[in-house]
Amino acid sequence: DTGVSQDPRHKITKRGQNVTFRCDPISEHNRLYWYRQTLGQGPEFLTYFQNEAQLEKSRLLSDRFSAERPKGSFSTLEIQRTEQGDSAMYLCASSPSRQAAGGELFFGEGSRLTVL
Amino acid sequence: AQTVTQSQPEMSVQEAETVTLSCTYDTSENNYYLFWYKQPPSRQMILVIRQEAYKQQNATENRFSVNFQKAAKSFSLKISDSQLGDTAMYFCAFVYSGGGADGLTFGKGTHLIIQP
Repeated sequence: DTGVSQDPRHKITKRGQNVTFRCDPISEHNRLYWYRQTLGQGPEFLTYFQNEAQLEKSRLLSDRFSAERPKGSFSTLEIQRTEQGDSAMYLCASSPSRQAAGGELFFGEGSRLTVL
Repeated sequence: AQTVTQSQPEMSVQEAETVTLSCTYDTSENNYYLFWYKQPPSRQMILVIRQEAYKQQNATENRFSVNFQKAAKSFSLKISDSQLGDTAMYFCAFVYSGGGADGLTFGKGTHLIIQP
């Protein structure tokens, strides 16, 4: 399967712990996005990378959140000192260049975080 | 900033019927793309249909078609001959086709249930 893969699919943690999610995009895609989706809501943009450069971060991305894409391939999203409000589905998506895809994103199945 | 509004939280129709999901958006931009994404239960989000704002012709993909009214900033999705597999959350989304951050802006979604 050459789609976007995310790991782990589900993470349960206690408040105050750190968690890390990994995303492997489609191999030829140079853009990678992170979104957060809470129950009953549409996905909300968190951040995106073009190759290894993080080009934009949403105001939703507090200083407890950090994302990296060190070699322009896979990406990690770390949440430090988790809070119950961080409970959500974290979606990763990738895309080729804007001209080629017209903005279409290819999504992974998401990583669901539950903070107790 | 652009906003996307889906005013129907949930819809239910009988199999084989036609259903229309509504979406309105607000933007000051002239060049953009609009999308309908489908999110089946516990599965990844997939693109249903895409519309370029500069094209007057409404996009069509098999049983799925849109009614794009640029002046009214309306972008509805029509599903003909609905099937049980169409049961899912449907999200309307917008992306600006110019420079800058181009993460999708999503509506809150419509939960479509196809009854047998």
